[in-house]
Amino acid sequence: QQQVKQSPQSLIVQKGGIPIINCAYENTAFDYFPWYQQFPGKGPALLIAIRPDVSEKKEGRFTISFNKSAKQFSLHIMDSQPGDSATYFCAATVGGGSQGNLIFGKGTKLSVKP
Amino acid sequence: ETGVTQSPTHLIKTRGQQVTLRCSSQSGHNTVSWYQQALGQGPQFIFQYYREEENGRGNFPPRFSGLQFPNYSSELNVNALELDDSALYLCASSLTLNTGELFFGEGSRLTVL
Repeated sequence: QQQVKQSPQSLIVQKGGIPIINCAYENTAFDYFPWYQQFPGKGPALLIAIRPDVSEKKEGRFTISFNKSAKQFSLHIMDSQPGDSATYFCAATVGGGSQGNLIFGKGTKLSVKP
Repeated sequence: ETGVTQSPTHLIKTRGQQVTLRCSSQSGHNTVSWYQQALGQGPQFIFQYYREEENGRGNFPPRFSGLQFPNYSSELNVNALELDDSALYLCASSLTLNTGELFFGEGSRLTVL
């Protein structure tokens, strides 16, 4: 049973565009929502994370928007660059990740064309 | 400060065999989690170790087992390998419990024939 649904599966944008990746969850007990970035041959790396007491968080060119009532959250990448081409995973967990049990989405492969 | 390191990077086994994967956590981290990532999928939580004790387990059968050592390094053991066990196995460490950020290694790619 997939508890975090991620879309789209793949995404192609031009340099400077704003790709948006969406995730939806079912478990209302989730209280920590990170996004991870994974390059080929590498492990995932934390990009940005949000807790449900805020509706938006920005770090550099990356923004998470969070809609608690809709049980959805999304990642926006401003002024995207070819170096942002990677697979992005949303995730969710209970207890702030204290048990390491991150539930990941299936991932979105982003390609930013020069 | 060294990151999370895993070994071996690649290995091939046959069905029914046993495998041990190793992980050295990032310096100063006392918590290690293991994930299985099938091709084209997101990582799936196997279990977590905190100060040498299992602290949580995902939906994996008992033939998946682990250890954490006093230096906080860890092993993942898989017995009676099945074809579906073919995947990238990721180790992640965190500073301690109650911190959401996991630092992942590059993984061990296991192929079961």
